Amino acid sequence: AQSVSQHNHHVILSEAASLELGCNYSYGGTVNLFWYVQYPGQHLQLLLKYFSGDPLVKGIKGFEAEFIKSKFSFNLRKPSVQWSDTAEYFCAVNGSGGYNKLIFGAGTRLAVHP
Amino acid sequence: EAQVTQNPRYLITVTGKKLTVTCSQNMNHEYMSWYRQDPGLGLRQIYYSMNVEVTDKGDVPEGYKVSRKEKRNFPLILESPSPNQTSLYFCASKGASSGNTIYFGEGSWLTVV
Repeated sequence: AQSVSQHNHHVILSEAASLELGCNYSYGGTVNLFWYVQYPGQHLQLLLKYFSGDPLVKGIKGFEAEFIKSKFSFNLRKPSVQWSDTAEYFCAVNGSGGYNKLIFGAGTRLAVHP
Repeated sequence: EAQVTQNPRYLITVTGKKLTVTCSQNMNHEYMSWYRQDPGLGLRQIYYSMNVEVTDKGDVPEGYKVSRKEKRNFPLILESPSPNQTSLYFCASKGASSGNTIYFGEGSWLTVV
């Protein structure tokens, strides 16, 4: 069955710390991968996406993610977090082509303390 | 501006009182979908629609209905809401004009008492 697993449900960091959020997926085919962010009280916004090509993807607000096909992983990273990065982060995957279902992980709540 | 618009954004209702959450997109997208978000469960798909008059069940369709009479609209209907349908609901759409990227509405907080 298709699934997405996010390893950390809650992460607490101090400002300027580095961030890495884990995401592993299970899908029997070519995939498209996404990270979405949901700031408190707001809707989901796309941070970055991977369809093909360079497996290191850069997104908005200094975030990046690396697709490692052999590990079925798409971890999200940021070298130095800010208080404004406090949000919930969702990894998602769907099969490439057509209108395959977008499957979400359970989310990771990130709290950044000043 | 590309938008997915949901209404209402916030609603408190009573068990058994039928309600409809509307969703409209202005991007001429073929595909539309409803998700519910619950703590620790992420987003789970309720129903989706590949195009006008084409709808199908997602992972958690029980207690919900949808319709797709027009391309831009995809209302979510709760015929007889129950407290376990208290959740945050998101409408989403995608189509050729946006590649394979899904756009989300702002969410609808629904409380059933």
